[in-house]
Amino acid sequence: GENVEQHPSTLSVQEGDSAVIKCTYSDSASNYFPWYKQELGKRPQLIIDIRSNVGEKKDQRIAVTLNKTAKHFSLHITETQPEDSAVYFCAVKTGANNLFFGTGTRLTVIP
Amino acid sequence: DGGITQSPKYLFRKEGQNVTLSCEQNLNHDAMYWYRQDPGQGLRLIYYSQIVNDFQKGDIAEGYSVSREKKESFPLTVTSAQKNPTAFYLCASSIGRGVRTEAFFGQGTRLTVV
Repeated sequence: GENVEQHPSTLSVQEGDSAVIKCTYSDSASNYFPWYKQELGKRPQLIIDIRSNVGEKKDQRIAVTLNKTAKHFSLHITETQPEDSAVYFCAVKTGANNLFFGTGTRLTVIP
Repeated sequence: DGGITQSPKYLFRKEGQNVTLSCEQNLNHDAMYWYRQDPGQGLRLIYYSQIVNDFQKGDIAEGYSVSREKKESFPLTVTSAQKNPTAFYLCASSIGRGVRTEAFFGQGTRLTVV
């Protein structure tokens, strides 16, 4: 299947600073790249996504960038707040319509 | 809340027993997935199904089995062949077709071998 690598595995930032999480993938036919947030004890939920024909997408304090040539995409969170603390997963939808996830990043925002 | 329900929330299995985890969705989604979540290892794909009566193995299918007799239901059986079944199991569904296929997750089942 698709090989999705996510870094870093843990990330601590001061409140108000920015956080960046990066993912790489292997299948050049992959065409959809969502990011999920999983709060403690809850199910993962979609926070932002990007399609392969778009290079960047923003939604308030979060943004995702995609470099299709290099096969990597990143999540950017600006002006972080304590409620941003959670585990974040990147995912990749392959040409075969399957969804593969990265290993997750535990983000801690320090007040 | 998302229209996808997993049961039970907690499940205990004795060594050598098979157990079945339930996953039901009322979103009219074609695609359904089972993932296993272990600490520090993210979400690993066990099985997926794009249509009724068809399913494919994911990365860690050994020791698991599934069926897809109805569009709404995708039960996962953890067999005695799965040597380390203690984990958190998440079921998800998505429309399947089209590029933007947001996945909706159930609330998960925590399985513990006793």
